[in-house]
Amino acid sequence: DIQMTQSPSSLSASVGDRVTITCRASQSISSYLNWYQQKPGKAPKLLIYAASSLQSGVPSRFSGSGSGTDFTLTISSLQPEDFATYYCQQSRRASLTFGGGTKVEIK
Amino acid sequence: QLQLQESGPGLVKPSETLSLTCTVSGGSISSSSYYWGWIRQPPGKGLEWIGSIYYSGSTYYNPSLKSRVTISVDTSKNQFSLKLSSVTAADTAVYYCARHLGDVYWGQGTLVTVSS
Repeated sequence: DIQMTQSPSSLSASVGDRVTITCRASQSISSYLNWYQQKPGKAPKLLIYAASSLQSGVPSRFSGSGSGTDFTLTISSLQPEDFATYYCQQSRRASLTFGGGTKVEIK
Repeated sequence: QLQLQESGPGLVKPSETLSLTCTVSGGSISSSSYYWGWIRQPPGKGLEWIGSIYYSGSTYYNPSLKSRVTISVDTSKNQFSLKLSSVTAADTAVYYCARHLGDVYWGQGTLVTVSS
């Protein structure tokens, strides 16, 4: 099974900060990596698919990079509505695996 | 627009079987090459994939839950279902049904509590 390790598990940041979240796969998943944002009581929302493609309607301050085993989600300038939990997800095969999540909190 | 809606009991007793159904509207389960699956999230914790069924009927389960899980599809009703047997308090979670092929398209989720 493919394991996904996400770091950090939480971080504190201020509005306007640049934030970086990393995700590592236990084996190569090419670019089969997606990023989601989840707010309390809501289903996750797709931000980035195929490692670096921005989902329609998602602000351009979100970006993704990486391939193989190492991936990054970057928020270039954190906005108040970005305080949430972020998950990576691999889709290399029929089975899905999620990272443990990164909670972005207000500093 | 595609919509997925979970339904089923919100309270299940320990040792019993949890049963949920996902009704799909705005698209046909059998007419496209997608996986239809279940994902859960215990309160305050992360996301766990339970299993999926391919439009052809092939099933894929999380190895940690495989012995207790059955996912089936009813194409005549455009629904797919989850059965999780011998539940314990650890199975208390929000259960999401989803469509995936790469990224995941989510239902709104339903909370299932395991308690006597």
